[in-house]
Amino acid sequence: GAGVSQSPSNKVTEKGKDVELRCDPISGHTALYWYRQSLGQGLEFLIYFQGNSAPDKSGLPSDRFSAERTGGSVSTLTIQRTQQEDSAVYLCASSLVGTGISYEQYFGPGTRLTVT
Amino acid sequence: AQSVAQPEDQVNVAEGNPLTVKCTYSVSGNPYLFWYVQYPNRGLQFLLKYITGDNLVKGSYGFEAEFNKSQTSFHLKKPSALVSDSALYFCAVRDKRDTGRRALTFGSGTRLQVQP
Repeated sequence: GAGVSQSPSNKVTEKGKDVELRCDPISGHTALYWYRQSLGQGLEFLIYFQGNSAPDKSGLPSDRFSAERTGGSVSTLTIQRTQQEDSAVYLCASSLVGTGISYEQYFGPGTRLTVT
Repeated sequence: AQSVAQPEDQVNVAEGNPLTVKCTYSVSGNPYLFWYVQYPNRGLQFLLKYITGDNLVKGSYGFEAEFNKSQTSFHLKKPSALVSDSALYFCAVRDKRDTGRRALTFGSGTRLQVQP
């Protein structure tokens, strides 16, 4: 497929369990972003990867959240010891990167996480 | 810090009438501005962007937006609404001076309802 893919599409987990969310960006896109969309809210930035640079983790809400990007492609967002307030749709996006321009981000369909 | 305000949670318009979805922004420098649309259970789709140049930007599906620097606004418009335009619309901004963190700051979204 040509778009950003995410898996799973839905995840229900018990409070306290760890979860892993996967994102497969568009081939050739060096930038990858994770956002969180809570019910009735806009998108909240979580983390940004660009090539081999250190990721921008400034949006991660707590140290229970972490992410990695292997080989400059697939990314995994991990939430440890999930809490009910972590319930949200987690969106991944990718884009090209250039100087003096801002390329649009292409979003995946999201993973809906429900913590019971 | 950068921010986006979408003052209307919902906009209702009759099919065939013009529509406007409002957006105002705040950045320290000059902005890159974007509009995205989200259909139910789908990821965000890019509509249009303002980078530089002409203040009137044309995008997908007949939508356009006008950048107004003095009013710090970037309202989304369409001359004739369709029922199929009913969706959730997000405005987003990034400061041109921010060459490191390229993540977008999103508004809280406006639900557009087009009545037949």
